[in-house]
Amino acid sequence: EAGVTQFPSHSVIEKGQTVTLRCDPISGHDNLYWYRRVMGKEIKFLLHFVKESKQDESGMPNNRFLAERTGGTYSTLKVQPAELEDSGVYFCASSPTGRPQYFGPGTRLTVT
Amino acid sequence: QKEVEQNSGPLSVPEGAIASLNCTYSDRGSQSFFWYRQYSGKSPELIMFIYSNGDKEDGRFTAQLNKASQYVSLLIRDSQPSDSATYLCAVNANDYKLSFGAGTTVTVRA
Repeated sequence: EAGVTQFPSHSVIEKGQTVTLRCDPISGHDNLYWYRRVMGKEIKFLLHFVKESKQDESGMPNNRFLAERTGGTYSTLKVQPAELEDSGVYFCASSPTGRPQYFGPGTRLTVT
Repeated sequence: QKEVEQNSGPLSVPEGAIASLNCTYSDRGSQSFFWYRQYSGKSPELIMFIYSNGDKEDGRFTAQLNKASQYVSLLIRDSQPSDSATYLCAVNANDYKLSFGAGTTVTVRA
């Protein structure tokens, strides 16, 4: 069974540019989560989808971040416009209902 | 106060010894507790989860939970060099989102 995949693995962009991160969850997992780890800090929750619906987006830092999960399969996280403090590793995780979360390898975002 | 706190590392143990990792959490409503292992540059890998007070064993790993003390631990028996990694404690209430500790880096000396 394929695990959670994320693309790209690394992204370097300039302040003010736009970046879109993609996550493909494990097939059949209705729950999809986005987390972020900034340097020196803990991994922090961003948001949670159940199928195509946003269940909880309380961790989204501001309205420069937009997450979508059209069709309840893969998800995208867009940052527009990117700021320096958005740099970090963005993790995606998925799970069946009521089960532990399985994480992807992350996308390392560097904003210069 | 941080939601989840782990004992500061790094933790260095000789091969074959027991590595003991500790984690405390602040939310008494927490229901589920997880240990993830993360090798440098890789994804957090789920190694243990525990929901009830007491011990849960899986191979060389034992998770211990004490909800009254808001404490969860992970023991790694017969530590191997391949166990060298950062171990993340994660907790959630009934709302699915995980709260993570900062992680404890373990080094197993051959």
